[in-house]
Amino acid sequence: KAGVTQTPRYLIKTRGQQVTLSCSPISGHRSVSWYQQTPGQGLQFLFEYFSETQRNKGNFPGRFSGRQFSNSRSEMNVSTLELGDSALYLCASSLGSGPGANVLTFGAGSRLTVL
Amino acid sequence: DAKTTQPTSMDCAEGRAANLPCNHSTISGNEYVYWYRQIHSQGPQYIIHGLKNNETNEMASLIITEDRKSSTLILPHATLRDTAVYYCIVNLGSARQLTFGSGTQLTVLP
Repeated sequence: KAGVTQTPRYLIKTRGQQVTLSCSPISGHRSVSWYQQTPGQGLQFLFEYFSETQRNKGNFPGRFSGRQFSNSRSEMNVSTLELGDSALYLCASSLGSGPGANVLTFGAGSRLTVL
Repeated sequence: DAKTTQPTSMDCAEGRAANLPCNHSTISGNEYVYWYRQIHSQGPQYIIHGLKNNETNEMASLIITEDRKSSTLILPHATLRDTAVYYCIVNLGSARQLTFGSGTQLTVLP
């Protein structure tokens, strides 16, 4: 069973640019969540999508957005990049309901460096 | 979500049991205890979760006290590959959002 796939694994951008990250969940998983991990703030929840709808959102500015497609694949976008957006962005998928909603399978992450 | 308290770091000898404690004294009756770990530079990995009863799977055992105010994750025979940061998270089963604290850095020593 293939795991959660995130692309790209590494990328470098400059301030003011935008970036799009992609996530392919485990087959059959309908929920996709995104997390940001930085040395200073640790792992922080960005948002969660289920059946193409955002069900939950963390405390991040509107520059951070996402979407989910009908095949459950998800993308997140960060516009007008700032130096502080440099982080490991992690995608996780789950069945999306019941106690299993919090049993997440994470991808390896996309490491973004903003110069 | 209930707040959790974990030791910052712990060491364990290879082959011995690693017992990782977690305090969650404000847990409510319908909140679950979840454990995840993160090996350096990888995404977090789910280990186990429980509500009231002790749980065991192929990776670990979870012991929850009767008053549910604390729990212990047990890795029965720690290996060097178990060196990681271990996160204890308390959450409603339907919350769909995990709040990660600082976790416990477990170092398994040869």
